[in-house]
Amino acid sequence: EAQVTQNPRYLITVTGKKLTVTCSQNMNHEYMSWYRQDPGLGLRQIYYSMNVEVTDKGDVPEGYKVSRKEKRNFPLILESPSPNQTSLYFCASSLIGGESYGYTFGSGTRLTVV
Amino acid sequence: GQQVMQIPQYQHVQEGEDFTTYCNSSTTLSNIQWYKQRPGGHPVFLIQLVKSGEVKKQKRLTFQFGEAKKNSSLHITATQTTDVGTYFCAGRGGSNYKLTFGKGTLLTVNP
Repeated sequence: EAQVTQNPRYLITVTGKKLTVTCSQNMNHEYMSWYRQDPGLGLRQIYYSMNVEVTDKGDVPEGYKVSRKEKRNFPLILESPSPNQTSLYFCASSLIGGESYGYTFGSGTRLTVV
Repeated sequence: GQQVMQIPQYQHVQEGEDFTTYCNSSTTLSNIQWYKQRPGGHPVFLIQLVKSGEVKKQKRLTFQFGEAKKNSSLHITATQTTDVGTYFCAGRGGSNYKLTFGKGTLLTVNP
């Protein structure tokens, strides 16, 4: 089944404790992206990647890191999480250049930083 | 930067009534996409519009892309309880592959 898999689904952590949220897709998509979703603010892009070893900042990159060493994986790293990073996170992927391909989203990771 | 505004923020309807959400971009778009997010779920791609003035239908859903490619709408005829969720538009402008999402319209349907 074509899908984007995020782990974990839920995570409660403490301020300053480094964490990684994994994202993997099995559709051979070039484009991958991370979004955070907050009430009243919609979906905001954190980082994106156009291909292996090619990443760039989105609208809200502060406090986050990403890497794209393999085409299928795009982990999101919070080196020193803070409470304002408490949010619902989505990973998404898509082909590039297709006329009718939208994003495929993962099921989301609900992160709470205390 | 590019901004995509979506209205209304919330809409509550009685089952059987129609529903429309509107999307406006600050810049001309190369295409626009629509997504639906059920409560507790993740956004799911519905459709992409590319051409000026394009109209596409999916059963009771009608999607339009404005002539100037700066606005779009989603219309649902005779809503059902299964239509409940947040509907997002997302626009792509120029040569940048990035999608900019509207804040979404939360639709609730009273049976």
